Amino acid sequence: AQKVTQAQTEISVVEKEDVTLDCVYETRDTTYYLFWYKQPPSGELVFLIRRNSFDEQNEISGRYSWNFQKSTSSFNFTITASQVVDSAVYFCALSEAYSGGGADGLTFGKGTHLIIQP
Amino acid sequence: EPEVTQTPSHQVTQMGQEVILRCVPISNHLYFYWYRQILGQKVEFLVSFYNNEISEKSEIFDDQFSVERPDGSNFTLKIRSTKLEDSAMYFCASSPSVIYGYTFGSGTRLTVV
Repeated sequence: AQKVTQAQTEISVVEKEDVTLDCVYETRDTTYYLFWYKQPPSGELVFLIRRNSFDEQNEISGRYSWNFQKSTSSFNFTITASQVVDSAVYFCALSEAYSGGGADGLTFGKGTHLIIQP
Repeated sequence: EPEVTQTPSHQVTQMGQEVILRCVPISNHLYFYWYRQILGQKVEFLVSFYNNEISEKSEIFDDQFSVERPDGSNFTLKIRSTKLEDSAMYFCASSPSVIYGYTFGSGTRLTVV
């Protein structure tokens, strides 16, 4: 069975600090997809990134970067020079793919509540 | 940018009543999903739907729940006899293929009193 662990329940940093959110996953499949979603106080789920299991290249998007390491089954998310608007709950999620393009439902971690203090 | 639309945004219902949550997925998407998030907890998968039938469901999705795509645009989740513990945010999502990820709606907050 698949599982996603976000061990950090809550992180609080001062604005402009860098912060890394950890995500460790478990799956038996060789083909899977990893995701990060942001949930601001308004409650919607905002897609941040998708990574497939065959692509271990790290990715940078502005102040956001992601470090995917299959050897440790981790997919960590770093925010550089954090801002108050980054305050939210961040979820890591996993989906196992099957033929035809469909997929199992997403398995979410419990989320990390990130608080950026001014 | 195309959106997944959910209505209503908030619904209050009495315990034991039936409730239908509505979703309009993105028009060219093929896979549809419902998820649930109890307040302060993680998002949980309920059911996936493809080619007019359920393709996968979780243990949460018991006989009280059903899904339907009554026409070419709507995707509904019905809870037959609501319980207090059904109070949660319900998210609809759609996807053309897992390769392209999922788009979530903004959710329906269901409160059972």
